[in-house]
Amino acid sequence: DQQVKQNSPSLSVQEGRISILNCDYTNSMFDYFLWYKKYPAEGPTFLISISSIKDKNEDGRFTVFLNKSAKHLSLHIVPSQPGDSAVYFCAASQPYSGGGADGLTFGKGTHLIIQP
Amino acid sequence: EAQVTQNPRYLITVTGKKLTVTCSQNMNHEYMSWYRQDPGLGLRQIYYSMNVEVTDKGDVPEGYKVSRKEKRNFPLILESPSPNQTSLYFCASSPTPGQIFYEQYFGPGTRLTVT
Repeated sequence: DQQVKQNSPSLSVQEGRISILNCDYTNSMFDYFLWYKKYPAEGPTFLISISSIKDKNEDGRFTVFLNKSAKHLSLHIVPSQPGDSAVYFCAASQPYSGGGADGLTFGKGTHLIIQP
Repeated sequence: EAQVTQNPRYLITVTGKKLTVTCSQNMNHEYMSWYRQDPGLGLRQIYYSMNVEVTDKGDVPEGYKVSRKEKRNFPLILESPSPNQTSLYFCASSPTPGQIFYEQYFGPGTRLTVT
């Protein structure tokens, strides 16, 4: 059962426009959400996060929105730049329980392509 | 420079030949973890470690072993590799999880092919 879903395997956006990447989750215990960016031949790098007590977090060109009632979050990139072309992973975590598969649960990723 | 290192970066081996992928971090992080990335499946957690001598299974632990004898090192061991373990492996570390799970720092990845 996939607890974090990124339903768009790829997304193509024109340079300068807004990129919107979506993520849905099913586990209501998740209370912290993160976005990671991954270039080919490199490990994922942390991009931005949001706690469940907030509905928006902004960092420069990147904004993450959280809609808890819909169990949905989105990453907005404005304006999109060529260097933003990468695979973006949505991830979620729940409060440390001391056992089981503690850690981050990742979505399958969305490949963002910024076209000049 | 704060980083997570993995070795080797690329490895081709044969079924049944034991191998170890090393992971080391220089950030004094307590939490370390191994993931595998497969096409269409995203990143899945194999094992994790909350601290020295404390390890636990993730979502896909079958066929893998780990150890955490020192804080900085977290090797991944495949006692008898099989072709279905062909994958891209990432090691990651983060500060003490505590009550909120902080962002993890990932290594560059190890591409393993088992024939």
